[in-house]
Amino acid sequence: AQSVTQPDIHITVSEGASLELRCNYSYGATPYLFWYVQSPGQGLQLLLKYFSGDTLVQGIKGFEAEFKRSQSSFNLRKPSVHWSDAAEYFCAVGLSEYGNKLVFGAGTILRVKS
Amino acid sequence: EPEVTQTPSHQVTQMGQEVILRCVPISNHLYFYWYRQILGQKVEFLVSFYNNEISEKSEIFDDQFSVERPDGSNFTLKIRSTKLEDSAMYFCASSVVRGSYNEQFFGPGTRLTVL
Repeated sequence: AQSVTQPDIHITVSEGASLELRCNYSYGATPYLFWYVQSPGQGLQLLLKYFSGDTLVQGIKGFEAEFKRSQSSFNLRKPSVHWSDAAEYFCAVGLSEYGNKLVFGAGTILRVKS
Repeated sequence: EPEVTQTPSHQVTQMGQEVILRCVPISNHLYFYWYRQILGQKVEFLVSFYNNEISEKSEIFDDQFSVERPDGSNFTLKIRSTKLEDSAMYFCASSVVRGSYNEQFFGPGTRLTVL
């Protein structure tokens, strides 16, 4: 069955430290991959997306993600976290054969300590 | 920058009542979606809509739910007879064209509380 797994429900990092949020998917084909961020009271904002080509993609707010086909992963990274990055992060996948829908992971809540 | 808007931000209703959640998608977008997120759970796809008809729906989207584009700007989700388990955050999204590879722009959500 199609699934997206974000194994970490909560992560706490110190401001200025590096960050990696994990995402794994289980599909037969390579899906289209997305990372969204949700701040409290806000909608879902797209950070970055991967369709094809270079497996390291750059996004907004200094985030990047790397697609690793062999590991079925699309982990999100940031070299230096800012307090304003505290939010919930969602990995999502889409498959053309499943039409328009996105399938989301459960989310990872990021806390930043000063 | 254009954005998806949703009203109301919070709706409280009694079980069995009908509710209509409203969304204004981005003006040049052609595909519209509803997702929901029950507290503490994943964001789940409900329905997609194009050219005045449903193009795909999930098993959650049963006969209690309906969607409509009543005019050129609004996109609504109606829940006919609300149940306690309908309490959730409902997100509207829109995209320019079809295909899950196209970015879906999400609204801020409507929090529905069914008492």
